[in-house]
Amino acid sequence: AQKITQTQPGMFVQEKEAVTLDCTYDTSDPSYGLFWYKQPSSGEMIFLIYQGSYDQQNATEGRYSLNFQKARKSANLVISASQLGDSAMYFCAMRYLNTGGFKTIFGAGTRLFVKA
Amino acid sequence: GAVVSQHPSRVICKSGTSVKIECRSLDFQATTMFWYRQFPKQSLMLMATSNEGSKATYEQGVEKDKFLINHASLTLSTLTVTSAHPEDSSFYICSARSPGLNTDTQYFGPGTRLTVL
Repeated sequence: AQKITQTQPGMFVQEKEAVTLDCTYDTSDPSYGLFWYKQPSSGEMIFLIYQGSYDQQNATEGRYSLNFQKARKSANLVISASQLGDSAMYFCAMRYLNTGGFKTIFGAGTRLFVKA
Repeated sequence: GAVVSQHPSRVICKSGTSVKIECRSLDFQATTMFWYRQFPKQSLMLMATSNEGSKATYEQGVEKDKFLINHASLTLSTLTVTSAHPEDSSFYICSARSPGLNTDTQYFGPGTRLTVL
């Protein structure tokens, strides 16, 4: 069965430093997509970065990069040069093809606190 | 990026009433929309997948008669919580994807916070 695991309920990071948010997944499907979303206190889900299972290179989007370790089934998010506005809840998600179509499941989330 | 809106953003209703939540894709046609539910300090849980012009596919444990989903057009899906009760109070979020856009990205609406008294 497909599963997404985020083991860090909360993380603290000093402003301007880098932080890594962990995510591991489990699937037997060869084709899947991995996502990271940011959810600030307003509740809106903001797409950050995507990694396809067949992508050879790690995805990068500005200050966000995804450390994709396929053999270890991990897809950690790295935020470089943290900013106060990065304080939010972060969700890792995996999309796969189900019998009824594409389905996305989410991890439990990690709350990031950026300290000034 | 693509824009998805939800209306209302917040609703408070009495127990026993029905509440309709709208999800609209503003600048693209969404053949598939998803409805999620999020309890406080918890993750998103998929409730159902809504395909334009066909019946929604509900996740296990989600009552079809309780949560009515209609996807009548390529830009609008509605979720109706029928005979709402306090345990239905939650944050409801929709998302949309379209073959015309990057198919590997879901765009989320801002969410609707439902409080049932």
